[in-house]
Formats: sequence, C-alpha cells, structure tokens
Amino acid sequence: QVQLVESGGGVVQPGRSLRLSCTASGFTFSNYAIHWVRQAPGKGLEWLAVISYDGNNKEYADSVKGRFTLSRDNVKNTVFLQMNSLRGDDTAVYFCARLVYNWDEVGSHWGQGTLVTVSS
Amino acid sequence: EIVLTQSPGTLSLSPGEGATLSCRASQNVRSNYLVWYQQKPGQTPRLLIYGASTRATGIPDRFSGSGSGTDFTLNISRLEPEDFAVYYCQQYGSSVWTFGQGTKVEV
Repeated sequence: QVQLVESGGGVVQPGRSLRLSCTASGFTFSNYAIHWVRQAPGKGLEWLAVISYDGNNKEYADSVKGRFTLSRDNVKNTVFLQMNSLRGDDTAVYFCARLVYNWDEVGSHWGQGTLVTVSS
Repeated sequence: EIVLTQSPGTLSLSPGEGATLSCRASQNVRSNYLVWYQQKPGQTPRLLIYGASTRATGIPDRFSGSGSGTDFTLNISRLEPEDFAVYYCQQYGSSVWTFGQGTKVEV
C-alpha cells in the first residue's frame, strides 16, 4: 500500500534552516509528483509546493517561494524540502502527499506529518 | 495564485439536516479542476469530490459537488454524526495549487 513518511521536524530558531524528508514506499515513486502541504496549529491547510516525477519541474506558493526548495532522489524514494530563513509563521505540521486527480487515476495519500516549531 | 474563499466559516446544524458549503475562486478554475476534502481532528484530509462533481471511491452519495468557473458548492444531503468536520476546497487548475480556508460543520 502507498506509504509516505515525513521526518526532520523539530524546534528551530527564527532565521535558521531545516530540511524535511519524505520517504515513500508501496508504489513506483519515480512515476509520481509529490506535494507538500502544511497546517499551522488550529488553522487550515496550506499548499506549499510540488515536485514533478523526475524532479525537473517545481512550483511553489508565494508564501515560501525563494525560501523553500524541493529536490528528490528517485533511487532512495525520497523528496526533500529545504526550508531557509524560517519565521514564526512557518510553525506548522508539514505533510507530504501524493495527490492525483486524473480521470484514469485518482488518489490522495498523505503522510502523518512532521511538526516544525520556529521559536527562539 | 488563485484565492479560494469558503463560506460560511462555520455551519451549525443538527444530524439529519442538509448542508451547503460554498467555495468561490478569485479567477476561473481551469476545467473545473476542484476537489473537496473532509478533515477531522488529528486526521489527514479525506478526498470527497474531484473534478468539481465526481465522488471519490467509497464516498456516500449524500455528498455531492457542483459548480463551474469560479463558484463551487459541496452539498451534504442528510448529515450523519460522522460528517461533523472541517471541509476544504482545493483547486488544481493552475500550476500553483491552493486551498480554501475551510468551513467547519458543527453540531
């Protein structure tokens, strides 16, 4: 079955960096784009970014563009989210997800999330 | 970025009643590429509707989606106790996806 596991969260000071990982199993990883979504405590879902199946295309929400960078290793079945210049409003649970809404394939698979707390 | 505005913010209803949730986009959503999710506390989101109106696998027929262009609606015909949750719309018609801010359906 499709499984996504995030890691790398923790407490970090404002202005510092953190790298999150999303390791996948149960499907052909190199065939799928991977998304990142976050949810601040008690708040709604915020789509952050997506990396294409081959890593050649990436899109970012305005809120993180220029600070966050996606990459992937299709040998290790892992996507990385490099987060720089972190701010207090980046505090959230970060989810990676495989989201497919095509007519011939529909699937919404989420990891359990990793908590990032930005605080001095 | 396409901004999705959901209304109302909170809907207070009783089991058995119907619910109508709105999602309005700041610009046209290409090909009606809009989904609806349900999220309960401590859980990851559950896909309900894709393509604005197609129910995902296993979703009861009391959930229905409609709309096009910039105005979309999620209807729940008869609320079951397990339907009290937060609902989000999300558009995937542009290269940068976005979520609405959510509508909480509460007892």
